[in-house]
Amino acid sequence: TQLLEQSPQFLSIQEGENLTVYCNSSSVFSSLQWYRQEPGEGPVLLVTVVTGGEVKKLKRLTFQFGDARKDSSLHITAAQPGDTGLYLCAGFNPYSGAGSYQLTFGKGTKLSVIP
Amino acid sequence: ETGVTQTPRHLVMGMTNKKSLKCEQHLGHNAMYWYKQSAKKPLELMFVYNFKEQTENNSVPSRFSPECPNSSHLFLHLHTLQPEDSALYLCASSQLMADNEQFFGPGTRLTVL
Repeated sequence: TQLLEQSPQFLSIQEGENLTVYCNSSSVFSSLQWYRQEPGEGPVLLVTVVTGGEVKKLKRLTFQFGDARKDSSLHITAAQPGDTGLYLCAGFNPYSGAGSYQLTFGKGTKLSVIP
Repeated sequence: ETGVTQTPRHLVMGMTNKKSLKCEQHLGHNAMYWYKQSAKKPLELMFVYNFKEQTENNSVPSRFSPECPNSSHLFLHLHTLQPEDSALYLCASSQLMADNEQFFGPGTRLTVL
């Protein structure tokens, strides 16, 4: 069974601070996706990383895929209240055998940015 | 309409009722999914349809019955549910390829009394 552990589970910070959330696994994934979900809505895809060591930037958000493709991080610079939400990572491994179309989701990091 | 839509957005039903959730994707994708999201649990995949054929059923109780009449529409028929089935039910679609990026609908918030 492939598992993705996200940390921290909860994070409350002041506007303007920087933060990093982590997504770790003992399994290798061919790609990893990050989503943000706001209350009462579905997750919205932010980015997909596919190459070990890859770094992608989306405005103030920086995503990194670990060299071994087992872990990822999301760094937010100068957080704003609009960044508030649940951040989910999801790994995809089409060669896992069981449920090859499945994404493995972490439990998420709930971020609150206080004005 | 664009993206993935779901109706209704909110549903309250008794344990003896029968209701259906509807999902429609306007992205030309060939795969559709039902997920259940409960508090304090990761997203739980329920069903996967690939080109209208069910390819995954993750040990979901028979009181949940999916239907996929075409590659754009997906239904989840509900009957004799339990209070613990109360959750946010999310539909997603993807174009099956290397990364399997999934696009989610807004969800149906279901409450079973």
